[in-house]
Amino acid sequence: DIQVTQSPSILSASVGDRVTITCRASQNLSSFLAWYQQKPGKVPKLLIFKASSLDTGVPSRFSGSTSGTEFTLTITSLQPDDFATYYCLHYKDFLGAFGRGTKVDIK
Amino acid sequence: EVLLVQSGAEMKKPGDSLKISCKTSGYTFSDYWIGWVRQMPGEGLEWMGIVYPGDSDTRYSPSFEGHVTISADKSVTTAYLQWASLRASDTATYYCATISYGSFDYWGQGTLVTVSP
Repeated sequence: DIQVTQSPSILSASVGDRVTITCRASQNLSSFLAWYQQKPGKVPKLLIFKASSLDTGVPSRFSGSTSGTEFTLTITSLQPDDFATYYCLHYKDFLGAFGRGTKVDIK
Repeated sequence: EVLLVQSGAEMKKPGDSLKISCKTSGYTFSDYWIGWVRQMPGEGLEWMGIVYPGDSDTRYSPSFEGHVTISADKSVTTAYLQWASLRASDTATYYCATISYGSFDYWGQGTLVTVSP
C-alpha cells in the first residue's frame, strides 16, 4: 500500500506570502503526482499534474516541483481565494493515495 | 465538454445494499480509467479504486477491496460504486472522476451517502 506523507497539516499565512507544501511517498516515486485545492462543500480542483504541469486555467502563482524524494506545491503570492485545503495525490502501478491534506488559513 | 453527473443523495440503514452511479458524456468513455474517491465528514480524500471501461479491468485500494465493487457499463457510459452490506462508517461523500496522467481531472458533483439505524 502506498503511503504519502504530506506536511504541514495546517499552515497559517497572510495575503502576499509565499507558501510551500510538501509530499513524500513511501515507495519508489513516479512522476504521477498531482495537487488539488478543495474549499468546504466543494469538489476538489486539480491544480498541478505530472508533478509540475499546471492545469488549464490555474493561475501561474501555483507551481509544482520535485527534489529528490519530495514533491512541492508552491504558491508564490497567496491571494484571498487561496485559503483552502490542499491535497497531493501519488499514483503508481494503478494504485493511488492522497496525502492527509494541508489547511491554509489566515494568520 | 466533459461532464460527470452522479446520482442523488442516499439514506440507508446498516446492512442495506446500494449502488450509486456516475453518468459521463463528452469524451470516449471506453478509453479512460475512471475512479472513485471517498470523503468522510470533515475528513480528507481517499483513493478507493478505478475501472477501465474498455475491458472492465478494475483495481482497488487495499483499504476498500472486498467491501465495495466498482464497475462500468459502456452501453450507457456510466460507472458504478456498490456495496452489498453498508456500515455506519460508509457515511461519506463519494466522488467519481476521470483519470489522466495518474490524476483525477474531471470530477462528478459528489453523492452523499448516509448510513444510520
